[in-house]
Amino acid sequence: KAGVTQTPRYLIKTRGQQVTLSCSPISGHRSVSWYQQTPGQGLQFLFEYFSETQRNKGNFPGRFSGRQFSNSRSEMNVSTLELGDSALYLCASSLAASGSGELFFGEGSRLTVL
Amino acid sequence: QQQVKQSPQSLIVQKGGISIINCAYENTAFDYFPWYQQFPGKGPALLIAIRPDVSEKKEGRFTISFNKSAKQFSLHIMDSQPGDSATYFCAARPGGGATNKLIFGTGTLLAVQP
Repeated sequence: KAGVTQTPRYLIKTRGQQVTLSCSPISGHRSVSWYQQTPGQGLQFLFEYFSETQRNKGNFPGRFSGRQFSNSRSEMNVSTLELGDSALYLCASSLAASGSGELFFGEGSRLTVL
Repeated sequence: QQQVKQSPQSLIVQKGGISIINCAYENTAFDYFPWYQQFPGKGPALLIAIRPDVSEKKEGRFTISFNKSAKQFSLHIMDSQPGDSATYFCAARPGGGATNKLIFGTGTLLAVQP
C-alpha cells in the first residue's frame, strides 16, 4: 500500500512569490492535515481537512491556505512568501475521522525562501 | 494552554542503556498522547500512544508512563540501540470535537552510542 506522497520534495522560491504543495493521502484516508516543521518551532499545525471541509486551522496568517479535493488529495498554498516560511511542510493522513487515529506522515516538501 | 513542553532537547545514551524523554502539558482536555519517531529525511512515524485513563503502556522496548495528576508523561526506551537514534516528539490531541489535530512537543534528538 502506497504511503502519503508529497510533491515537490524540494523547492526554492524568492520572497514575494507563491508556492503550491501537493499531498496524496493513503488510499481510503479522508482526513488530511498539514504541519510546518522548523528547527526552532518544531511541528506546528497548519490545517486539517476531512471530506473536502476544513475542520481546523492553526495560528498562521491568511497567506497560508489549503484545500481538499473529492479524491481526498490536498494542496496547500503560501502566498507572498517570506524568509521565515522556509521550512519542511509535512502532510499527514488518517483513516479515522477523528479521535486517536494514527497519523501517517509523508516525507515532506522542503521549501527554501531566498 | 495549547502547549506541550518536552525535555531534554537532546540526549546521548550508551547502547543498552535506558533513554527517558519527558513531556508536560497544561490543558486537561487533552485526551490522547502519542509519541512519534522521526529519522532524518523522513516524516514522523507513530511509535506508541496512550490515553489518560491508563497509567502505563508497554510495547516491546518502548514504554509510556502517564501521570494524570501531574499532567506529565514520559517515554522510556529500554536497552537502547544505535538504530533508535532519531528525533522523538511527544504530542497531545485537544479533546472535544471531530479532529485529528495534534499539538507536538519541540522534539528530543536521541543519539545512542555503540
